[in-house]
Amino acid sequence: RKEVEQDPGPFNVPEGATVAFNCTYSNSASQSFFWYRQDCRKEPKLLMSVYSSGNEDGRFTAQLNRASQYISLLIRDSKLSDSATYLCVVNNNNDMRFGAGTRLTVKP
Amino acid sequence: DTAVSQTPKYLVTQMGNDKSIKCEQNLGHDTMYWYKQDSKKFLKIMFSYNNKELIINETVPNRFSPKSPDKAHLNLHINSLELGDSAVYFCASSQVAGSGPQHFGDGTRLSIL
Repeated sequence: RKEVEQDPGPFNVPEGATVAFNCTYSNSASQSFFWYRQDCRKEPKLLMSVYSSGNEDGRFTAQLNRASQYISLLIRDSKLSDSATYLCVVNNNNDMRFGAGTRLTVKP
Repeated sequence: DTAVSQTPKYLVTQMGNDKSIKCEQNLGHDTMYWYKQDSKKFLKIMFSYNNKELIINETVPNRFSPKSPDKAHLNLHINSLELGDSAVYFCASSQVAGSGPQHFGDGTRLSIL
């Protein structure tokens, strides 16, 4: 089993749609969690951290379920500029593990 | 203003050569990393240094040797380059080892002929 698993997609959605990505991780001792965004031929950039209580940043909502070892990202009112690959990242004791990413394309 | 800078941005070279990639961060972070992203886009950690000391060394061929002259720099030297080394190599840094978000450089696109 991979340490961090994501549905690779691609997800093709119209502008304005709501889209959700899921991620599962294998190490129950993992301590912190993040969503990164990577545009084509660019470096990964932090989108948001993920907290146990769930957190929201504008149109983006992240959730963490430690019992199920599951992380989610919800994007509301999708914009064309949201098109990118979304990487789920899990940290365990100085070691960050990246998922393979979920590709999102938002179409007009 | 660049937070994490890598050079060169592109590197095209022949099999068997030795090459180096440099990385510098001006964020005052204690920890630096090297990642490899292959053609399948999977990002894998290679090395991590905290205050010039190696803390993570994944299963990477010993042809790859990181060097950290100070905590703001982490260079990657690769000996006897092979076709399978073709990838994008990203340098990153974080305030605290592993627990905080990481800031990435632009990447170095290495192509082996």
